[in-house]
Amino acid sequence: ETGVTQTPRHLVMGMTNKKSLKCEQHLGHNAMYWYKQSAKKPLELMFVYSLEERVENNSVPSRFSPECPNSSHLFLHLHTLQPEDSALYLCASSQDVRYSNQPQHFGDGTRLSIL
Amino acid sequence: AQTVTQSQPEMSVQEAETVTLSCTYDTSENNYYLFWYKQPPSRQMILVIRQEAYKQQNATENRFSVNFQKAAKSFSLKISDSQLGDTAMYFCAFMKIQGAQKLVFGQGTRLTINP
Repeated sequence: ETGVTQTPRHLVMGMTNKKSLKCEQHLGHNAMYWYKQSAKKPLELMFVYSLEERVENNSVPSRFSPECPNSSHLFLHLHTLQPEDSALYLCASSQDVRYSNQPQHFGDGTRLSIL
Repeated sequence: AQTVTQSQPEMSVQEAETVTLSCTYDTSENNYYLFWYKQPPSRQMILVIRQEAYKQQNATENRFSVNFQKAAKSFSLKISDSQLGDTAMYFCAFMKIQGAQKLVFGQGTRLTINP
């Protein structure tokens, strides 16, 4: 049990579908992150939230829309995705974005496949 | 921008042997953190070890130790007395001390421990 839970574990969707990925952390952290892990590529940071406020958006296409309703929950809304968006999407949390000495704790990820 | 390079896509050793995974990075920062993360087939990213750049002493966590060469921008991971449970993808990562927590990852090394 990592303290960071992601659902669903697997998701298959068509390019015209709309779906959402969910992340919940039970660690009392203030910062949450979305990463994309594609085959044979380094993990890419997508979004960073601090106390429900987005503090980083790494040039992610608008077909990915994050939402952070509170410091424990983070969503990634998906619509009109492309085949190259197929990847493992990892959520992470940390105590505070300002404290680099505090490690990030990761969830198990959602394996997303776009048909 | 920071970059992290892991030049060994795959490695394989026998159980109980010692193995060293290499990592180099590029940055103009003087103070930063370096990490090794482990990702087993369960997909959860687990922090293995962390090094603070301003500390000359190499970090050690049980069977895991690093060889940090700041001038050479090298950060290798040594696993002693390797175990079957060490089989996983290993990622080297960099983080600046200032600013929001942004982990920059290498491409990963797939390590297999054979019985």
